[in-house]
Amino acid sequence: DAGVIQSPRHEVTEMGQEVTLRCKPISGHDYLFWYRQTMMRGLELLIYFNNNVPIDDSGMPEDRFSAKMPNASFSTLKIQPSEPRDSAVYFCASSLAGQALYFGAGTRLSVL
Amino acid sequence: RKEVEQDPGPFNVPEGATVAFNCTYSNSASQSFFWYRQDCRKEPKLLMSVYSSGNEDGRFTAQLNRASQYISLLIRDSKLSDSATYLCVVSGSARQLTFGSGTQLTVLP
Repeated sequence: DAGVIQSPRHEVTEMGQEVTLRCKPISGHDYLFWYRQTMMRGLELLIYFNNNVPIDDSGMPEDRFSAKMPNASFSTLKIQPSEPRDSAVYFCASSLAGQALYFGAGTRLSVL
Repeated sequence: RKEVEQDPGPFNVPEGATVAFNCTYSNSASQSFFWYRQDCRKEPKLLMSVYSSGNEDGRFTAQLNRASQYISLLIRDSKLSDSATYLCVVSGSARQLTFGSGTQLTVLP
């Protein structure tokens, strides 16, 4: 069974550009989470969805970040405009009924 | 006080040693507890859930102490392949999971 699928795996962009990260959760899971991980701050929850509805976006750093989940099998995290301090690994994770999370392989973002 | 606190380590132990990690949490209403393992430059992966009665999976034993609000992970007969960062995870409000900052383990030959 396929796990959580994220794309792209690596993204290098220049400051000011728009970045879109994509995620396909495990089929049947009703929760989807976006995390960001850096050495300094560890793993931070950005936003999570339940049945495609955003529940808590208090972790989203600022208005430059937005996330959508148009259907049960797809979510995007968009950064516009991107800044060097956004460089991090972005993980998507899904779960069933809020239990154990299963993570995708992550997107390693570098903003130059 | 952080919601979930772990000793960051690093723990450096020889092969075959027994090593234990503790994790404390602040939300007494937490219901779900997990240990995750994260290898360098990889995603966190579920190691085991932690049940009230304690549970074992091969060389790994997890314990929960609700009165003192901590969970523990014991690794027996450690292997080189156990080298990783171990993350304590606790449920918070609205089914949100809170991750500790992780404990780094290196098993030495």
